[in-house]
Amino acid sequence: AQSVSQHNHHVILSEAASLELGCNYSYGGTVNLFWYVQYPGQHLQLLLKYFSGDPLVKGIKGFEAEFIKSKFSFNLRKPSVQWSDTAEYFCAVLSGGYNKLIFGAGTRLAVHP
Amino acid sequence: EPEVTQTPSHQVTQMGQEVILRCVPISNHLYFYWYRQILGQKVEFLVSFYNNEISEKSEIFDDQFSVERPDGSNFTLKIRSTKLEDSAMYFCASRERTGGETQYFGPGTRLLVL
Repeated sequence: AQSVSQHNHHVILSEAASLELGCNYSYGGTVNLFWYVQYPGQHLQLLLKYFSGDPLVKGIKGFEAEFIKSKFSFNLRKPSVQWSDTAEYFCAVLSGGYNKLIFGAGTRLAVHP
Repeated sequence: EPEVTQTPSHQVTQMGQEVILRCVPISNHLYFYWYRQILGQKVEFLVSFYNNEISEKSEIFDDQFSVERPDGSNFTLKIRSTKLEDSAMYFCASRERTGGETQYFGPGTRLLVL
């Protein structure tokens, strides 16, 4: 069965610091990968997704992720975080014919002013 | 921008009681999903629903759970006899049919079983 691992459960950064959140998936075939964000008290929102093509994917709010097939990774990055990026971030992979999402455990990011 | 909505936002119930969680997916979407997140754990897939029937379900989705799309707009999750371990945040999601792998999530219902 497919699985997703997120290495960092809690990350604390100061504003303007760079961010990289790790995500590894288990499946070796064609994958569709997502990063979702959940701001405090809000629902899961799509940050970015990778289906095919350019392995460097740009999303909303200055986030990007790089798909590295050889490393089974899809790490999320942002060069300079803001206080408003405080949220929980979930990596997910699409699985099965009806496209259920398999989520990682999530990374809780706190950005201090 | 269209959104998935869920009601109620919070529900407290006694063990053994039935609960119904409601979702209104985005209107032109055809695939519907329920996920749950127990506090401190991963978001887990429960069930997917397409063309008025369950298309896939997880091991979690046992006989105590059922889903229904009673009227073409609502999508409900029923838990017949709640257990303490059903306490979780329940998320509904929906997606379009063609070219629509992205799932759009609702804000969730926090269920507490006492």
